Amino acid sequence: GAVVSQHPSRVICKSGTSVKIECRSLDFQATTMFWYRQFPKQSLMLMATSNEGSKATYEQGVEKDKFLINHASLTLSTLTVTSAHPEDSSFYICSALKGTGYEKLFFGSGTQLSVL
Amino acid sequence: GESVGLHLPTLSVQEGDNSIINCAYSNSASDYFIWYKQESGKGPQFIIDIRSNMDKRQGQRVTVLLNKTVKHLSLQIAATQPGDSAVYFCAENKAGRRALTFGSGTRLQVQP
Repeated sequence: GAVVSQHPSRVICKSGTSVKIECRSLDFQATTMFWYRQFPKQSLMLMATSNEGSKATYEQGVEKDKFLINHASLTLSTLTVTSAHPEDSSFYICSALKGTGYEKLFFGSGTQLSVL
Repeated sequence: GESVGLHLPTLSVQEGDNSIINCAYSNSASDYFIWYKQESGKGPQFIIDIRSNMDKRQGQRVTVLLNKTVKHLSLQIAATQPGDSAVYFCAENKAGRRALTFGSGTRLQVQP
């Protein structure tokens, strides 16, 4: 099956600093990637849709200046949490779409962000 | 508003028994549904999907049933094994959207 690599798997940072999370499709090209956020014991909430070569589409209530998304190539999308605060602590998960059908949507292993 | 939700937050079954996980959706325009399995600290893993023009679809040890009349989706796992212990999410694709909406999840605990 297809592999989506997400890095880092865990990060701890101080309040006010910025954190970058990388999502790579290792064996396929993905024109579309999605970023989700998940709080403990809760479901995945879509944050934004990342499109290669264009601006990301953010869901309502997600601050685009707070969560910067860059889909620089067909195999890499990055999420930068700027000026992180404790309330940004969460599990962030990316997914990459191989083709057009959602049966070909593959998820990364997630990044646990803890902001002190 | 539109939502996808689950009836039971936690399901505990004995090893070897069959498991049934339920999901309700409210958007009648949804035309595609997926079940995912998520183990602790990992991303969701695709299990099985079904389109709205079908009522049932079977995979290896898993069956998904779709009842469009009552907007209900279920995942049946046959001969449940300890390795099946995880959180299961249903997800739907709304017509015209390029992203999935996830339900609230059910934790499946398999007792040996």
